[in-house]
Amino acid sequence: GQQVMQIPQYQHVQEGEDFTTYCNSSTTLSNIQWYKQRPGGHPVFLIQLVKSGEVKKQKRLTFQFGEAKKNSSLHITATQTTDVGTYFCAGRSSGGSNYKLTFGKGTLLTVNP
Amino acid sequence: DGGITQSPKYLFRKEGQNVTLSCEQNLNHDAMYWYRQDPGQGLRLIYYSQIVNDFQKGDIAEGYSVSREKKESFPLTVTSAQKNPTAFYLCASSHRGADSYEQYFGPGTRLTVT
Repeated sequence: GQQVMQIPQYQHVQEGEDFTTYCNSSTTLSNIQWYKQRPGGHPVFLIQLVKSGEVKKQKRLTFQFGEAKKNSSLHITATQTTDVGTYFCAGRSSGGSNYKLTFGKGTLLTVNP
Repeated sequence: DGGITQSPKYLFRKEGQNVTLSCEQNLNHDAMYWYRQDPGQGLRLIYYSQIVNDFQKGDIAEGYSVSREKKESFPLTVTSAQKNPTAFYLCASSHRGADSYEQYFGPGTRLTVT
Protein backbone atom coordinates (compact mmCIF):
# COMPACT_ATOMS: atom_id res chain seq x y z
CA GLY A 1 0.00 0.00 0.00
CA GLN A 2 0.88 3.64 -0.20
CA GLN A 3 3.46 4.86 2.28
CA VAL A 4 4.26 8.44 3.19
CA MET A 5 7.56 9.04 4.95
CA GLN A 6 8.24 12.25 6.79
CA ILE A 7 11.56 13.50 8.16
CA PRO A 8 12.85 14.52 10.57
CA GLN A 9 10.72 13.02 13.34
CA TYR A 10 11.77 15.78 15.75
CA GLN A 11 13.34 19.20 15.32
CA HIS A 12 14.35 21.61 18.05
CA VAL A 13 15.32 25.14 17.03
CA GLN A 14 16.11 28.45 18.62
CA GLU A 15 13.53 31.13 18.03
CA GLY A 16 14.41 32.93 14.82
CA GLU A 17 15.99 29.92 13.13
CA ASP A 18 14.47 28.35 10.04
CA PHE A 19 12.80 24.93 9.96
CA THR A 20 12.06 22.45 7.18
CA THR A 21 10.17 19.15 7.15
CA TYR A 22 10.19 16.78 4.19
CA CYS A 23 7.61 14.33 2.96
CA ASN A 24 8.18 11.47 0.49
CA SER A 25 5.59 9.14 -0.97
CA SER A 26 6.12 5.64 -2.34
CA THR A 27 3.57 6.39 -5.07
CA THR A 28 2.68 9.36 -7.25
CA LEU A 29 0.26 11.67 -5.52
CA SER A 30 -2.68 13.54 -7.00
CA ASN A 31 -2.40 16.11 -4.22
CA ILE A 32 -0.83 16.63 -0.83
CA GLN A 33 -2.19 18.38 2.24
CA TRP A 34 -0.38 19.77 5.27
CA TYR A 35 -1.80 19.89 8.79
CA LYS A 36 -0.56 21.33 12.08
CA GLN A 37 -1.37 19.82 15.48
CA ARG A 38 -0.60 21.89 18.55
CA PRO A 39 0.34 19.94 21.72
CA GLY A 40 -2.82 18.49 23.22
CA GLY A 41 -4.88 19.60 20.23
CA HIS A 42 -6.23 18.23 16.99
CA PRO A 43 -4.87 18.55 13.42
CA VAL A 44 -5.76 21.75 11.62
CA PHE A 45 -5.58 22.05 7.84
CA LEU A 46 -2.89 24.39 6.52
CA ILE A 47 -2.83 23.99 2.74
CA GLN A 48 -3.33 21.70 -0.24
CA LEU A 49 -0.95 21.41 -3.21
CA VAL A 50 -2.16 19.92 -6.47
CA LYS A 51 0.11 20.88 -9.35
CA SER A 52 3.55 19.50 -10.15
CA GLY A 53 6.23 21.93 -8.92
CA GLU A 54 3.67 24.07 -7.11
CA VAL A 55 4.90 26.53 -4.48
CA LYS A 56 2.56 28.28 -2.06
CA LYS A 57 3.31 30.74 0.71
CA GLN A 58 1.46 31.63 3.87
CA LYS A 59 3.33 34.45 5.63
CA ARG A 60 6.49 32.72 6.97
CA LEU A 61 5.47 29.25 5.70
CA THR A 62 6.47 28.01 2.23
CA PHE A 63 5.06 24.78 0.83
CA GLN A 64 6.45 22.95 -2.21
CA PHE A 65 5.20 20.01 -4.25
CA GLY A 66 7.84 18.13 -6.20
CA GLU A 67 7.97 17.95 -9.98
CA ALA A 68 7.29 14.20 -9.90
CA LYS A 69 4.47 14.70 -7.36
CA LYS A 70 6.08 12.23 -4.97
CA ASN A 71 7.58 14.63 -2.46
CA SER A 72 6.78 17.83 -0.66
CA SER A 73 8.30 20.17 1.88
CA LEU A 74 7.25 22.77 4.41
CA HIS A 75 9.71 25.52 5.28
CA ILE A 76 9.21 27.99 8.11
CA THR A 77 11.34 31.13 8.08
CA ALA A 78 12.36 32.72 11.38
CA THR A 79 10.44 30.41 13.70
CA GLN A 80 8.39 31.77 16.58
CA THR A 81 7.16 30.05 19.72
CA THR A 82 3.69 29.97 18.19
CA ASP A 83 5.02 27.58 15.53
CA VAL A 84 5.42 24.79 18.11
CA GLY A 85 3.52 21.64 17.20
CA THR A 86 3.54 18.58 14.98
CA TYR A 87 3.37 19.11 11.23
CA PHE A 88 1.84 16.33 9.15
CA CYS A 89 1.75 15.83 5.43
CA ALA A 90 -1.08 13.74 4.00
CA GLY A 91 -1.22 12.48 0.44
CA ARG A 92 -3.87 11.08 -1.83
CA SER A 93 -2.64 8.51 -4.36
CA SER A 94 -3.12 9.27 -8.02
CA GLY A 95 -6.19 7.33 -9.08
CA GLY A 96 -7.10 6.57 -5.50
CA SER A 97 -10.15 7.45 -3.50
CA ASN A 98 -10.84 11.16 -3.03
CA TYR A 99 -11.43 10.42 0.61
CA LYS A 100 -8.48 8.29 1.60
CA LEU A 101 -5.52 10.31 2.78
CA THR A 102 -2.32 8.64 3.97
CA PHE A 103 -0.63 10.65 6.69
CA GLY A 104 3.06 10.84 7.40
CA LYS A 105 4.15 10.26 11.00
CA GLY A 106 4.73 13.97 11.47
CA THR A 107 7.57 16.23 12.54
CA LEU A 108 7.42 17.61 16.07
CA LEU A 109 8.82 21.13 16.16
CA THR A 110 9.88 22.69 19.43
CA VAL A 111 11.14 26.27 19.65
CA ASN A 112 13.41 27.60 22.36
CA PRO A 113 12.58 31.25 23.10
CA ASP B 1 -20.87 27.67 15.75
CA GLY B 2 -20.19 25.07 13.07
CA GLY B 3 -17.86 22.27 13.91
CA ILE B 4 -17.26 18.71 14.97
CA THR B 5 -17.84 17.47 18.48
CA GLN B 6 -16.51 14.30 20.04
CA SER B 7 -17.48 13.04 23.42
CA PRO B 8 -16.27 12.28 25.91
CA LYS B 9 -12.79 13.81 25.93
CA TYR B 10 -11.44 11.01 28.14
CA LEU B 11 -12.85 7.49 28.39
CA PHE B 12 -11.78 4.61 30.58
CA ARG B 13 -12.89 1.01 30.07
CA LYS B 14 -12.04 -2.43 31.30
CA GLU B 15 -10.61 -4.98 28.92
CA GLY B 16 -13.30 -7.10 27.26
CA GLN B 17 -15.88 -4.34 27.06
CA ASN B 18 -17.12 -2.73 23.86
CA VAL B 19 -17.14 1.05 23.85
CA THR B 20 -18.74 3.55 21.46
CA LEU B 21 -17.18 6.91 20.68
CA SER B 22 -19.44 9.72 19.56
CA CYS B 23 -18.82 12.07 16.61
CA GLU B 24 -21.27 14.75 15.50
CA GLN B 25 -20.83 17.49 12.89
CA ASN B 26 -22.99 20.41 11.83
CA LEU B 27 -20.87 21.45 8.86
CA ASN B 28 -23.24 19.77 6.39
CA HIS B 29 -20.37 17.56 5.22
CA ASP B 30 -21.15 14.32 3.44
CA ALA B 31 -17.86 12.57 4.20
CA MET B 32 -16.72 11.53 7.67
CA TYR B 33 -13.66 9.68 8.94
CA TRP B 34 -12.21 7.98 11.98
CA TYR B 35 -8.49 8.01 12.69
CA ARG B 36 -6.39 6.52 15.42
CA GLN B 37 -3.29 8.35 16.68
CA ASP B 38 -0.56 6.67 18.68
CA PRO B 39 2.62 8.40 19.85
CA GLY B 40 5.09 8.67 16.97
CA GLN B 41 2.70 6.91 14.57
CA GLY B 42 0.86 9.75 12.91
CA LEU B 43 -2.79 9.27 11.98
CA ARG B 44 -4.06 5.95 10.71
CA LEU B 45 -7.44 5.64 8.99
CA ILE B 46 -9.91 3.25 10.61
CA TYR B 47 -13.11 3.78 8.62
CA TYR B 48 -14.56 6.43 6.35
CA SER B 49 -17.99 7.21 5.00
CA GLN B 50 -18.76 9.14 1.85
CA ILE B 51 -22.49 9.31 2.36
CA VAL B 52 -25.26 8.20 4.69
CA ASN B 53 -25.72 4.43 4.97
CA ASP B 54 -22.37 3.74 3.32
CA PHE B 55 -18.89 3.29 4.76
CA GLN B 56 -15.57 1.70 3.85
CA LYS B 57 -12.74 0.13 5.79
CA GLY B 58 -9.56 2.08 6.17
CA ASP B 59 -6.10 0.71 6.84
CA ILE B 60 -6.72 -0.60 10.38
CA ALA B 61 -10.41 -1.55 10.57
CA GLU B 62 -9.99 -4.84 12.45
CA GLY B 63 -11.63 -4.72 15.86
CA TYR B 64 -13.71 -1.64 15.04
CA SER B 65 -17.21 -1.04 13.68
CA VAL B 66 -19.12 2.04 12.53
CA SER B 67 -22.56 3.13 11.42
CA ARG B 68 -23.76 6.10 9.38
CA GLU B 69 -27.50 6.39 9.86
CA LYS B 70 -27.55 10.18 9.85
CA LYS B 71 -25.47 12.71 7.91
CA GLU B 72 -24.43 14.44 11.12
CA SER B 73 -23.32 11.39 13.07
CA PHE B 74 -20.62 8.73 12.63
CA PRO B 75 -20.16 6.73 15.86
CA LEU B 76 -17.23 4.33 16.24
CA THR B 77 -17.42 1.17 18.34
CA VAL B 78 -14.17 -0.23 19.67
CA THR B 79 -14.88 -3.91 20.23
CA SER B 80 -13.23 -6.35 22.60
CA ALA B 81 -11.56 -7.87 19.52
CA GLN B 82 -9.31 -4.82 19.16
CA LYS B 83 -6.01 -5.95 20.67
CA ASN B 84 -4.54 -2.56 21.52
CA PRO B 85 -7.46 -0.16 21.95
CA THR B 86 -5.73 2.44 24.12
CA ALA B 87 -5.16 5.43 21.83
CA PHE B 88 -6.26 8.92 20.85
CA TYR B 89 -9.23 8.74 18.44
CA LEU B 90 -9.94 11.56 16.02
CA CYS B 91 -13.06 12.07 13.96
CA ALA B 92 -13.01 14.29 10.86
CA SER B 93 -15.35 15.42 8.11
CA SER B 94 -15.07 16.97 4.66
CA HIS B 95 -17.07 17.90 1.61
CA ARG B 96 -17.70 15.20 -0.97
CA GLY B 97 -16.96 15.53 -4.65
CA ALA B 98 -14.53 14.95 -7.50
CA ASP B 99 -11.78 16.92 -5.81
CA SER B 100 -10.02 16.18 -2.58
CA TYR B 101 -11.11 18.49 0.20
CA GLU B 102 -9.56 19.55 3.48
CA GLN B 103 -10.60 17.58 6.52
CA TYR B 104 -11.93 19.22 9.66
CA PHE B 105 -11.05 17.40 12.86
CA GLY B 106 -12.87 17.13 16.14
CA PRO B 107 -11.08 17.56 19.48
CA GLY B 108 -10.56 13.81 19.90
CA THR B 109 -11.33 11.17 22.53
CA ARG B 110 -8.52 9.65 24.54
CA LEU B 111 -9.46 6.03 25.30
CA THR B 112 -7.69 4.05 27.98
CA VAL B 113 -8.43 0.34 28.36
CA THR B 114 -7.01 -1.54 31.33
